[in-house]
Amino acid sequence: KAGVTQTPRYLIKTRGQQVTLSCSPISGHRSVSWYQQTPGQGLQFLFEYFSETQRNKGNFPGRFSGRQFSNSRSEMNVSTLELGDSALYLCASSFAQGAGEKLFFGSGTQLSVL
Amino acid sequence: AQRVTQPEKLLSVFKGAPVELKCNYSYSGSPELFWYVQYSRQRLQLLLRHISRESIKGFTADLNKGETSFHLKKPFAQEEDSAMYYCALSGAGGGNKLVFGAGTILRVKS
Repeated sequence: KAGVTQTPRYLIKTRGQQVTLSCSPISGHRSVSWYQQTPGQGLQFLFEYFSETQRNKGNFPGRFSGRQFSNSRSEMNVSTLELGDSALYLCASSFAQGAGEKLFFGSGTQLSVL
Repeated sequence: AQRVTQPEKLLSVFKGAPVELKCNYSYSGSPELFWYVQYSRQRLQLLLRHISRESIKGFTADLNKGETSFHLKKPFAQEEDSAMYYCALSGAGGGNKLVFGAGTILRVKS
């Protein structure tokens, strides 16, 4: 099976712009979650989608949003980019949703905001 | 509030020595706990989880609810164990929302 695929691998944007990141989960996986990784804050949960519905949301401003499509692919969008949004954004998928589920991570999208 | 603490940023041991990576958590309910590992130039991947009570690559971890700990142990370290290790917690009703610790770099020296 192909692993979790994230595109693009690298992005450079300027402040005030918006960006869309894409994630294709492992075939058959219905849950997709997003994490932000920075040197200062580590890995932080953004949100989780299951069957096209947002099930959980982390403590991030409304500029961060996401969605999931019927084929389980997910996108996350960040509007009005700030310098502090520079980070590695990781997507993870799992077959089901629930505490104890094994998450499979993608390689991430490295976003640099200038 | 849910919190995971990994007190060591770096743990350096010699090959063949025992390894213990510490993890303490704060959660009022019954948590599910995990260890994830990231080897150099590889993706973050699950090493083991409390719910499975398994031993992977010689590593084990026991949940101690009294001490709110989930330390990762291996009796004899190998050079290929060198990696970044993250302890993570998922609470009841939290779905796949994981709270991660800051991570510990394990360096196994020959």
